[in-house]
Amino acid sequence: AQRVTQPEKLLSVFKGAPVELKCNYSYSGSPELFWYVQYSRQRLQLLLRHISRESIKGFTADLNKGETSFHLKKPFAQEEDSAMYYCALHSGSARQLTFGSGTQLTVLP
Amino acid sequence: SAVISQKPSRDICQRGTSLTIQCQVDSQVTMMFWYRQQPGQSLTLIATANQGSEATYESGFVIDKFPISRPNLTFSTLTVSNMSPEDSSIYLCSVGVLDTGELFFGEGSRLTVL
Repeated sequence: AQRVTQPEKLLSVFKGAPVELKCNYSYSGSPELFWYVQYSRQRLQLLLRHISRESIKGFTADLNKGETSFHLKKPFAQEEDSAMYYCALHSGSARQLTFGSGTQLTVLP
Repeated sequence: SAVISQKPSRDICQRGTSLTIQCQVDSQVTMMFWYRQQPGQSLTLIATANQGSEATYESGFVIDKFPISRPNLTFSTLTVSNMSPEDSSIYLCSVGVLDTGELFFGEGSRLTVL
């Protein structure tokens, strides 16, 4: 069975500081990993996917198969980055999208 | 992309009653899903709403408790039946444009059962 673990429920950093949201997964096949974000009073939306290897809003995430991790990073956090972040693992069909429990990021002024 | 309208956005209900949540998509989509997001917990898939056939339920969810309709490719409803306080949660409608892990979500329906 697949599983996604986000060990931090809450994470606070100061504006301008680097931020890393941790995500570890358990899956026997070849995973596709995603980060979803939910800003206050907004709907859940896709932030980035590992396949595209793109940087969105300054965030990057590298899939490390050896460590089974997909940590989300940003070198300089901004206050508008404050949100709930979910790591998700996709295996097979869209029905098989497993979410982590989420990390609430707060960027302090 | 897809724009999803979900209603009601929130409701407060009495124990033992039922509530139907509607989900309208601005385009025809094959895959439509219903998730539950309980306080402090992750998103859990309830079921896949299939157009023209019965919904596919995940383990722990049954049709009698969560009946789902999908009359066409742009609309679905989820009913939470015989509610108890444990059903207090956010219910999310989502659609997949392609059969990938990329989903689009509605704004959610926050349900409180007293």
